[in-house]
Amino acid sequence: QVQLVESGGGVVQPGTSLRLSCEVSGFLSRGDGIHWVRQAPGKGLEWVSAISYDGINKYYADSVKGRFTISTDNSKSTVYLQMNSLGAEDTALYYCAKDGGVLRFDSWGQGTLVTVSS
Amino acid sequence: QSALTQPASVSGSPGQSITISCTGSNSDIGTYKYVSWYQQHPGKAPKLMIFEVSNRPSGVSNRFSGSKAGNTASLTISGLQAEDEADYYCASRTTSVTHVFGTGTTVTVL
Repeated sequence: QVQLVESGGGVVQPGTSLRLSCEVSGFLSRGDGIHWVRQAPGKGLEWVSAISYDGINKYYADSVKGRFTISTDNSKSTVYLQMNSLGAEDTALYYCAKDGGVLRFDSWGQGTLVTVSS
Repeated sequence: QSALTQPASVSGSPGQSITISCTGSNSDIGTYKYVSWYQQHPGKAPKLMIFEVSNRPSGVSNRFSGSKAGNTASLTISGLQAEDEADYYCASRTTSVTHVFGTGTTVTVL
C-alpha cells in the first residue's frame, strides 16, 4: 500500500513562491503517476498537475501553467510542486494522490494548506 | 477547462436509491472511458469509489455503481445508508491531456 505525506504549506504574501513536497512510501508501478489536487476552503476539488512515474511527462491545469512546476527527485520518492507568482486564488488545501491507471486516484495524502494573504 | 456539472445536492431516505449525474462535453466524458468518482467526508481526503466509468476498487461496496451515456456519467448508490452522507465528485480525462473534476454533490440521508 502506497502512503503519501504532503508538507511545505504555509502563509505567504501575494507574488511570492512556495515549494510543496509529497513524500511517497511503498511500491510504485511503472504505469503509476503522482498528481496534485487542490481544494479551496469550502469549495470543490480542482486538478492541478501530474507527473509520470519516470518523471518525464508533466501536465498542468491552465490556471497554473507557467507558474507552477512539478518535479521528482532521482529516487522518485518525493514529488515537488514549485509554485511561483502566488495569488489569493491559489489559497487551498493541496493534496497529492497516486494514479494507479488513468484517473484512478487510489491513494491520497492528508493535504497541506497554502494561504496566500497580505 | 470548465468543471463538469453536477447537481449541488441529492437526498434520499435510508434504503432508497439515488443517482448523481455528471455532465461534460465531447472534450471529456464524451470521448473517454476514464471517468471516476470520489467520496469525501468532512475534513477527510477523497476516496476513490469508481474508476473507468463503472469499475469498483477492492473494498468498495457493490451498492455503488457507475455508468455513462454520451456526455453524461452517473453514480448510483443503492440501499442508501447513513454512512453514505458525504460529498461526491466525478472526474474525467480531457482531450488536452489534463483532468477535470465535477462541481461536487452533497448527498444527504434523510
